[in-house]
Amino acid sequence: DIVMTQSPSSLSVSAGEKVTMSCKSSQSLLNSGNQKNYLAWYQQKPGQPPKLLIYGASTRESGVPDRFTGSGSGTDFTLTISSVQAEDLAVYYCQNDHSYPLTFGAGTKLELK
Amino acid sequence: EVQLVESGGGLVKPGGSLKLSCAASGFTFSSYAMSWVRQSPEKRLEWVAEISSGGSYTYYPDTVTGRFTISRDNAKNTLYLEMSSLRSEDTAMYYCARNYGYEDYWGQGTSVTVSS
Repeated sequence: DIVMTQSPSSLSVSAGEKVTMSCKSSQSLLNSGNQKNYLAWYQQKPGQPPKLLIYGASTRESGVPDRFTGSGSGTDFTLTISSVQAEDLAVYYCQNDHSYPLTFGAGTKLELK
Repeated sequence: EVQLVESGGGLVKPGGSLKLSCAASGFTFSSYAMSWVRQSPEKRLEWVAEISSGGSYTYYPDTVTGRFTISRDNAKNTLYLEMSSLRSEDTAMYYCARNYGYEDYWGQGTSVTVSS
């Protein structure tokens, strides 16, 4: 199984700061045939289901603010929030969409100072 | 508007069975694969089943293989998850999700508690 490792487990930031969080996979999520990375990012706010933010490692889902950026390839991926807003308080999960079983990271909890 | 509404959760004894349902609306249900994903009380997410759009192909992780069965009724726009031989570690919030290579829409979930 592909193990997804997220770091840090929590982040405490002030509104307006830039935030970067990491997701590493134990095997490559790059499909060599189409050169696409099968990595998704989800945001989960308290009491709500996860919401898709990013797929294909870097494609923003429709309606997601452009302050959210996904990057990386192979086994190393990053989610960046350029200027954190109060409504971004949430847990962020990455997911292996490359191969079964689909697996999730343990999440990075974003807290505001 | 895509809507996914889960039902059927509850309290069940270890070794018991339960069947979850997910009513879909707002999209052409028969055109999409569908998934079940659960979230433990510790907030860990675990994918537990996927079914192809026509229902011919199903996929499970080892943790539930042989105990869980995913199915769908495209005429009723409904997804199911039959769970048997339930264990305490199956206690979780169960979400159904539309699968487009990734889970792009999620329901609000139905809670399953396995306890004596």
